[in-house]
Amino acid sequence: DAKTTQPTSMDCAEGRAANLPCNHSTISGNEYVYWYRQIHSQGPQYIIHGLKNNETNEMASLIITEDRKSSTLILPHATLRDTAVYYCIVRSSGGSNYKLTFGKGTLLTVNP
Amino acid sequence: NAGVMQNPRHLVRRRGQEARLRCSPMKGHSHVYWYRQLPEEGLKFMVYLQKENIIDESGMPKERFSAEFPKEGPSILRIQQVVRGDSAAYFCASSRTSGTGQGMSNQPQHFGDGTRLSIL
Repeated sequence: DAKTTQPTSMDCAEGRAANLPCNHSTISGNEYVYWYRQIHSQGPQYIIHGLKNNETNEMASLIITEDRKSSTLILPHATLRDTAVYYCIVRSSGGSNYKLTFGKGTLLTVNP
Repeated sequence: NAGVMQNPRHLVRRRGQEARLRCSPMKGHSHVYWYRQLPEEGLKFMVYLQKENIIDESGMPKERFSAEFPKEGPSILRIQQVVRGDSAAYFCASSRTSGTGQGMSNQPQHFGDGTRLSIL
């Protein structure tokens, strides 16, 4: 699976949009981009995933660049409860893709 | 709550004892995965099971660790003769399918809140 690069930490004001970037320049054509988050003392929570089109659900939006080398997770109106470590994971559609690889992620702190 | 259920949430054992961690997958999910998270580190894959079968245990230490997912009941991760280095958070995830193959990747893994194992 392709490697991902994320900033170590980010801050966001409550009520504003939080934009979390992820670089995955070695991504291949059959690899999906997944986002999870982990709030302190809880398990990872699935947020969203996509292949090449932008995706939106009740939690967030995922914007994938046309060349697929990077993506951005957008939380449209961040709340204090969105403070968590956010993981960007590239996952293939075959092989042993069930082995999710969690890096260090981005610690997002939402400030009042 | 129909999510992945793990128990106990916290488990304390003395060195040399056995630890048994339980995981009930989400309803309708027949694929279970165990991950371990050491302090200040990311989650690491341990084992993947379907009902009554171990599919991939490549991430699990070969000694003292075992996992099962019986036809009836929860999946169990068992650690025998625990040592201090086993102290970690152990997470279970489940999915409807494994997510492999074209068109099958729309199957995210959903995680429980983990069992925090402390070895005295």
